[in-house]
Amino acid sequence: QVQLKQSGPGLVQPSQSLSITCTVSGFSLTSYGVHWVRQSPGKGLEWLGVIWSGGSTDYNAAFISRLSISKDNSKSQVFFKMNSLQADDTAIYYCARNYYGNWFAYWGQGTLVTVSA
Amino acid sequence: DIQMTQSSSSFSVSLGDRVTITCKASEDIYNRLAWYQQKPGNAPRLLISGATSLETGVPSRFSGSGSGKDYTLSITSLQTEDVATYYCQQYWSTPLTFGAGTKLELK
Repeated sequence: QVQLKQSGPGLVQPSQSLSITCTVSGFSLTSYGVHWVRQSPGKGLEWLGVIWSGGSTDYNAAFISRLSISKDNSKSQVFFKMNSLQADDTAIYYCARNYYGNWFAYWGQGTLVTVSA
Repeated sequence: DIQMTQSSSSFSVSLGDRVTITCKASEDIYNRLAWYQQKPGNAPRLLISGATSLETGVPSRFSGSGSGKDYTLSITSLQTEDVATYYCQQYWSTPLTFGAGTKLELK
């Protein structure tokens, strides 16, 4: 069955970067896109960006200067990196699989990231 | 960016109630709308895509309707397990955007 499993740190210091890995199973990254969404009490659900099956990326303009998404198809892994984190980046970060369109039937378990010294 | 407005952030309901949750887009999204249910500690669960298409395994008491800018999620005969927060999401254009959520609470 389709699964997305996230791994990454829970605590990041201000101005540092966040890296999360999303390891998928039950499908190929060459067939589906993987999106990143975050959720915070203050801002709700925010779409951050996507890496498409072909390897191209689209980012939310609000984050484009500090966000990078890449992948390794052979390892079924997608890599998320956001730079220069501040306190208001504290949120749960999710990876989610693209469906036939840009809606999400499959989600990772979420990574709670706290930005604090 | 397309703004998604859910008119109610929360409301109190009783078991067996018919519940209607509304979502309004800032422009026409051509039925490119999904609804999700989220319970504390869990990722959102997809209920409906294409404004009206129920996902496999979702109870038939859930239904979606609407067109243009205005969309509705309905729950007939609310069950205990339906107490949750509901979000709409447009996928007509990027950035993909979500409503702020509507939380159902038992009276």
